[in-house]
Amino acid sequence: GAVVSQHPSWVICKSGTSVKIECRSLDFQATTMFWYRQFPKQSLMLMATSNEGSKATYEQGVEKDKFLINHASLTLSTLTVTSAHPEDSSFYICSAIKGAAGDGYTFGSGTRLTVV
Amino acid sequence: GENVEQHPSTLSVQEGDSAVIKCTYSDSASNYFPWYKQELGKRPQLIIDIRSNVGEKKDQRIAVTLNKTAKHFSLHITETQPEDSAVYFCAASQGGSYIPTFGRGTSLIVHP
Repeated sequence: GAVVSQHPSWVICKSGTSVKIECRSLDFQATTMFWYRQFPKQSLMLMATSNEGSKATYEQGVEKDKFLINHASLTLSTLTVTSAHPEDSSFYICSAIKGAAGDGYTFGSGTRLTVV
Repeated sequence: GENVEQHPSTLSVQEGDSAVIKCTYSDSASNYFPWYKQELGKRPQLIIDIRSNVGEKKDQRIAVTLNKTAKHFSLHITETQPEDSAVYFCAASQGGSYIPTFGRGTSLIVHP
């Protein structure tokens, strides 16, 4: 099946610093990847759609200047949380679709971000 | 857009009992309905899915049913085991490049 890798799996950073999270499709090319945020005991909240070679599409209420997304290749999308604050602490998960049927929707391993 | 409702939010059962999680969707164009299991701190994993051209699909202890007319689908887990404890998400999608819309999740607790 499709494999999506995410790195790092967890990170602790100081307030005001920036953190970059990588999402890689290991065995397929993904022209589109997705970034989610998940708070404890809550559902997955779609933040943005990352498009290879073009600007990301952000969901309403998500600050694009704070959550920078770059999809520079068909296998890599990055999410950079800029000027992080404690309220940015969350579980961030990427995903990608493999195949045209849409049934290859696969999640990355997730990144636990803690801002102190 | 699509709206997916999922119930219950929490489900507590005894080991060996059955568990049923129900979801409804609003967009009649949706034709693909996956279910994900997420253990604490881990990624959601696809456990079973169903397409709109079938009414039921089974894989060992888990099964999914779909009623397109009523726009609802359900996950059934029989002979539950403690390792089934997790959060389960339903989703609805038009397939292809469409992003699935997820339900709010059900926390299943199986007591030994």
